[in-house]
Parts: sequence; C-alpha cells; structure tokens
Amino acid sequence: NAGVTQTPKFQVLKTGQSMTLQCAQDMNHEYMSWYRQDPGMGLRLIHYSVGAGITDQGEVPNGYNVSRSTTEDFPLRLLSAAPSQTSVYFCATRGDRGNSPLHFGNGTRLTVT
Amino acid sequence: AQSVAQPEDQVNVAEGNPLTVKCTYSVSGNPYLFWYVQYPNRGLQFLLKYITGDNLVKGSYGFEAEFNKSQTSFHLKKPSALVSDSALYFCAVRDVRDDKIIFGKGTRLHILP
Repeated sequence: NAGVTQTPKFQVLKTGQSMTLQCAQDMNHEYMSWYRQDPGMGLRLIHYSVGAGITDQGEVPNGYNVSRSTTEDFPLRLLSAAPSQTSVYFCATRGDRGNSPLHFGNGTRLTVT
Repeated sequence: AQSVAQPEDQVNVAEGNPLTVKCTYSVSGNPYLFWYVQYPNRGLQFLLKYITGDNLVKGSYGFEAEFNKSQTSFHLKKPSALVSDSALYFCAVRDVRDDKIIFGKGTRLHILP
C-alpha cells in the first residue's frame, strides 16, 4: 500500500518554464490537496479538491493550476515558473470523516533559477 | 476564515523535563484540531487530533494535547522529553463547516541532552 506518491522528488527549472508535479493516491480518498512549505512560513494551502471534477483555491493559489479528472490523481501545474515558487511541495489526502487527519506524500523539492 | 498561531519559533527543553508547544486557533464554527511532526528531510507525520468532549487527548510517541475552548488553544505536551523528540511541530485547524485544513508556521523543538 503506497499511500500518497509524489513525483519527481527533486526538480530544477528556469524562470518561465512549465512543469507538472504529480500526486497519486491509492487510499480511495475523495479529498486531496497541495501545500507548499517555506522556511518561517509553515505550510500554506495552494489548491484542494473534494472529489473528481471539483477543485477550489487555498491560501496561495496564484501561479498554480490544478485539475481532478480521477479520484486517484491530483496534478499541480506551474505554467510559467518564477523564483518565488522555489519551495518544497507536499500533496496530502484525507478520509471523509470530519476529523480525519491528512496523509502526506514525501514532497517535491523545486528550485527555480 | 480559520487561522492558527504558533507563537514560538523555537522551544528548547532539557531532556527529561516536561515540554509544551503552544497553539491557538481562530474559527467561525467549531474546530477540528491536529498536531503533526516533521523530522529532518522527511514528510509530515500525524501525531494526534482533538476528539470532541476530551479536553486532554493522547497521541503517538507519548505526546498529548490539552484543548481549552475559552482560550481557543490546543497546546502540545509531553511529560518527559527525549532527544529524539527534536523536530518541527505543526498545529493545524479545520472549521467543521469548511473543507480546508490550515497550518501554523511551525515550532522547532530542541531537546538538549
């Protein structure tokens, strides 16, 4: 049981390049989300989804796009990378009960030069 | 909108002493509350969650958390600290009427041998 799988683990981009961070889960959870972690800023919610075909913005959505075509996958797209998007990105899912905790992937470390 | 405050960037505690990591929250409705831990170069691990009606909840690795509704706090505690408890700790909140889970900025815990 893999849980939440993120790829790639590391990525270096040049300013203006695009890329997609992948997140896949085998926990059959409807809720999926993306966070970024920056020193001194904690984890900030980028986008989240409560089910296939439904997405919504979090605290810091600008510069990022998401879609949710299946229950299992929730990719995060950077259309034109900027140095301010240098960060560690975490995908997380949770079960349907109100106090279900988040289950995190191992993260993707992204550097934009 | 919900928010979380962790007022201490860092907490230093001698091994064997009790530890407290502080968390206060703000929500419009009732809260779901969580604590997570992050060890160096690792993802986030769930420690414990608030259970309605229990003002003191127990979690993994001997940690517990005290819920205080009047002070809107959910402080993390441990009676006797271990060097291996040194890590980054995050408090998180979800309003029962919302889907988003919002994190605090984190508190780095140093246990001194």
